[in-house]
Amino acid sequence: NAGVTQTPKFQVLKTGQSMTLQCAQDMNHEYMSWYRQDPGMGLRLIHYSVGAGITDQGEVPNGYNVSRSTTEDFPLRLLSAAPSQTSVYFCASTKQGAGYTFGSGTRLTVV
Amino acid sequence: AQKITQTQPGMFVQEKEAVTLDCTYDTSDQSYGLFWYKQPSSGEMIFLIYQGSYDEQNATEGRYSLNFQKARKSANLVISASQLGDSAMYFCAMRPGGNDYKLSFGAGTTVTVRA
Repeated sequence: NAGVTQTPKFQVLKTGQSMTLQCAQDMNHEYMSWYRQDPGMGLRLIHYSVGAGITDQGEVPNGYNVSRSTTEDFPLRLLSAAPSQTSVYFCASTKQGAGYTFGSGTRLTVV
Repeated sequence: AQKITQTQPGMFVQEKEAVTLDCTYDTSDQSYGLFWYKQPSSGEMIFLIYQGSYDEQNATEGRYSLNFQKARKSANLVISASQLGDSAMYFCAMRPGGNDYKLSFGAGTTVTVRA
């Protein structure tokens, strides 16, 4: 089925560990983005990409890295996880004239 | 960045009644788009309705309608004939016009429908 696929769905990390949240879309969307959702704060933009090879920071980029080597994939890397990064993460994609498609989310807990 | 304000953290509504969720926004752009999303307890983000800033008619999608008041920078969601399945978190979001696709979200409103 066409859409945005996020993996894993759940993850528990220890403080200081690193991991990569995967995001893939098969709709040929140029624009991809990562959000984090925290209680009472809605979704906040972490990083985004307007096409392969192009990334930029959003509202809350600290502690996260991204890359976009292909149109389909937009992984989010946590280099040294902190408890403050405990959150639900969403990947979304779109293109001109289309709506936004969201992944099903990744619930991350950092202990 | 655009600012989206949802002032109602939580609301209760009786089944079959209508409910209005408030959303105000702050932007200096002339062209922009407004979205409403539903997030049930399962966690996925479900698109409900879209309003473009130049659309003259208020958007409607089934039981959802958007009360767009451009001069007041207001984009309230109206859910008519509430159903138990409408119990969820609802988010208002805005994107700028042109080639800027960054979405800004409000804090959300939790709606609980009572039987």
